[in-house]
Order: sequence, then structure tokens, then C-alpha cells
Amino acid sequence: GAVVSQHPSWVICKSGTSVKIECRSLDFQATTMFWYRQFPKQSLMLMATSNEGSKATYEQGVEKDKFLINHASLTLSTLTVTSAHPEDSSFYICSAREGGQGQFFGPGTRLTVL
Amino acid sequence: GENVEQHPSTLSVQEGDSAVIKCTYSDSASNYFPWYKQELGKRPQLIIDIRSNVGEKKDQRIAVTLNKTAKHFSLHITETQPEDSAVYFCAASTGGFKTIFGAGTRLFVKA
Repeated sequence: GAVVSQHPSWVICKSGTSVKIECRSLDFQATTMFWYRQFPKQSLMLMATSNEGSKATYEQGVEKDKFLINHASLTLSTLTVTSAHPEDSSFYICSAREGGQGQFFGPGTRLTVL
Repeated sequence: GENVEQHPSTLSVQEGDSAVIKCTYSDSASNYFPWYKQELGKRPQLIIDIRSNVGEKKDQRIAVTLNKTAKHFSLHITETQPEDSAVYFCAASTGGFKTIFGAGTRLFVKA
């Protein structure tokens, strides 16, 4: 079945540093990947839609200069949280579509900013 | 804008009983409705989905129903087991790029 990996699974960083999260589709090509943020005991909040070879589409309220997204190939999308602050601490999950409308999620990255 | 409402937010059932989670959607163009199960600290997993041209779909102990007129869809879990305990999310998609998720239902199955 469709497998999506995410790296790193957990990262702790100092305030002001940047953190890059990778999302890979391992056994299929994903023209579209999605980045979500999930707070404890809450739903998935779509941050942006990442399309291979073009600029990402950001949801309202999500700063594109804060959350840089690059979809360099059909199997890799990256999210960079720039100048991270404690309020950016969250669980970040990517997903990818495999042809149809169903999405397959990565295992998530827990970001803690001190 | 598009919205998906999910109820209840928390559901507690006895092992062996049935559990029902209900969702409503606002965008009448929605044509694909997946359900995801998320265990604590893990990724959401697609457990079942239904398309708008179908009213009901079943896979062993889980079933989904869809009422397009009322814009309602529901997840039914029969003979619940402790391992069914998790957070369940419904979602609606128009076939474009965006999928809107419900707020989630925390299901507890008591042994």
C-alpha cells in the first residue's frame, strides 16, 4: 500500500532557529502533498497544499514566509519552520494523494521550541 | 467557507456494543468522504471511505452511510473492542485538492 515517511519524528530546537521537515512518498509518486498542524486533542489543520514544481498554496492565516514549503520532486516535499518560536511547537503531519482522493499520512513530526 | 461538523466529541461504550459517529458537511459539491482513525501519538489511518454515488459501504465491523440530501454521513462500528479506542476523524472532499476534516471523536471502549 501507499507509504509516506516523515523525518525527523521529533525535534527540539532553540527559539530563533530554523527546522526542516521532510515528507516522502516511498512507493508512489505524489503530485500533491499536504501539510497539517495538529494541536493536542484537536483536529488536523491544513496549512498548505504542496504541488510538485510549483509554489505551495497556503491556507488563510498561515504565513508563507514563516512556513517555507518546497516540493522538489514527485516523492519529496519539505516544510521549513523559519525562526521558530515556542508558539510554533506542535505536531506537524504531511500527507500525500495516490491518484485518487484518499490521503495517506506520514507519521508526524513533533516540534518543541524552547 | 466549507465546514464539517462531527458529533459527539467523546463517546464511551462497553465492549461489544455499537458506536455511531455522525458528521455533516456544508459544501454540496463534496463527493468523497473518508474516515480516519488516529491512535495516540500516531498518524491518522484511513479506515473506510465512501463516494457520493453510494449510500452505504461496509467492511467487516465498520460501515459508513451517506445521505446526500441531508448532507449527513455516519460511521458505525459494531461489536466494539478495546483496540477500537482512538480518535476518529470524518472528512469531506470535493475532488479538488482540499479535504476538510471534522473536529474528531474520542472513542473509549471499556472492557
